[in-house]
Amino acid sequence: GAVVSQHPSRVICKSGTSVKIECRSLDFQATTMFWYRQFPKQSLMLMATSNEGSKATYEQGVEKDKFLINHASLTLSTLTVTSAHPEDSSFYICSAPRSRGPTSYEQYFGPGTRLTVT
Amino acid sequence: AQSVAQPEDQVNVAEGNPLTVKCTYSVSGNPYLFWYVQYPNRGLQFLLKYITGDNLVKGSYGFEAEFNKSQTSFHLKKPSALVSDSALYFCAVRPYSGSARQLTFGSGTQLTVLP
Repeated sequence: GAVVSQHPSRVICKSGTSVKIECRSLDFQATTMFWYRQFPKQSLMLMATSNEGSKATYEQGVEKDKFLINHASLTLSTLTVTSAHPEDSSFYICSAPRSRGPTSYEQYFGPGTRLTVT
Repeated sequence: AQSVAQPEDQVNVAEGNPLTVKCTYSVSGNPYLFWYVQYPNRGLQFLLKYITGDNLVKGSYGFEAEFNKSQTSFHLKKPSALVSDSALYFCAVRPYSGSARQLTFGSGTQLTVLP
């Protein structure tokens, strides 16, 4: 089946530094990918929609200059957390929809990246 | 706007007993409904989905869900719970038609199956 990978799975960084998280679709092309953030024991909150070849679409309240998204190819989207602060510590999950026809698709989730900012 | 409600933060059930995790939704038009499971520090795993057709949907690991249009519900069920079913369960929805592809998730229900 389709697989979405994320790298790294865990990262610890110091406050003020930047961290890049990669999301790859391994056996299908994804013109769109989604980035979610999840706090402990809470639901996934959509941060942004990553679009190949164009700018990402950010949800209300998400700082686009802080969470930089680049959809460089049909299989890769990156999320860069710039000038990270401890409150950015969270579990970040990406997903990619795979079309199954004109009106249906399967959405595949990456395993997540645990970011800890010290 | 679409929304999903999971009214129970926590569900406890004894091993071998049937389990139900509740979900209600609100969406314009026909819904496209999903259940996902998440184990600690892991991404989401797909369990099952409802698109159209039979209201009872069977999925992975013996789970099933029943779509009830009049009650706008999509409860997850399993006839006999296993300790290994203990995890965080999310219900999600998107409109069946239209260009939006992102899912809206419920708040999640922590299922604990007691041995």
